[in-house]
Amino acid sequence: DVKVTQSSRYLVKRTGEKVFLECVQDMDHENMFWYRQDPGLGLRLIYFSYDVKMKEKGDIPEGYSVSREKKERFSLILESASTNQTSMYLCASTSGNSWEKLFFGSGTQLSVL
Amino acid sequence: GEDVEQSLFLSVREGDSSVINCTYTDSSSTYLYWYKQEPGAGLQLLTYIFSNMDMKQDQRLTVLLNKKDKHLSLRIADTQTGDSAIYFCAERGGNTPLVFGKGTRLSVIA
Repeated sequence: DVKVTQSSRYLVKRTGEKVFLECVQDMDHENMFWYRQDPGLGLRLIYFSYDVKMKEKGDIPEGYSVSREKKERFSLILESASTNQTSMYLCASTSGNSWEKLFFGSGTQLSVL
Repeated sequence: GEDVEQSLFLSVREGDSSVINCTYTDSSSTYLYWYKQEPGAGLQLLTYIFSNMDMKQDQRLTVLLNKKDKHLSLRIADTQTGDSAIYFCAERGGNTPLVFGKGTRLSVIA
């Protein structure tokens, strides 16, 4: 089975801290995605990556950056965390030809105080 | 840009059928999807339908697509308490990331 692992289930950070959210997949998928999920707003795409060292902005990239140095790992970085970045963050991956078959991690609930 | 709309809540009694509705705006959508999110978990693909199909059935799940009205529905027959979850409609037009709706929270009353 495909496994998408997010390093932390819960994270509490202070305003202004630099925050790293890590995601690793074990199926050699080319495409990886970061979403945030908020009640009443659904899933919103932050960034995605088609390949190593490649990144594309999603719908809400402001305040975030990403890193894809290795194919299996896609990191989301909050340069200076703010309270409005308190959210559930979901990582997903899929192979190059199967855009519909997104595999999701269990999510990281980030609280910024 | 593309938009996918769905109602936020649905409550049904155990054993009844559930129907979750979704509308989308992108007329070039080629695939439409239903994902399920159980409490404390990520999303899982339930089923999907190609835009040239009207209906797809998979055990207790029936997907209906009205391409003219850009309307998609998911019917769950004999709804069980284990079906309680958030259901997301999503669409894709071409080689672009999926666009998700806001999710419908299905509550099943025993």
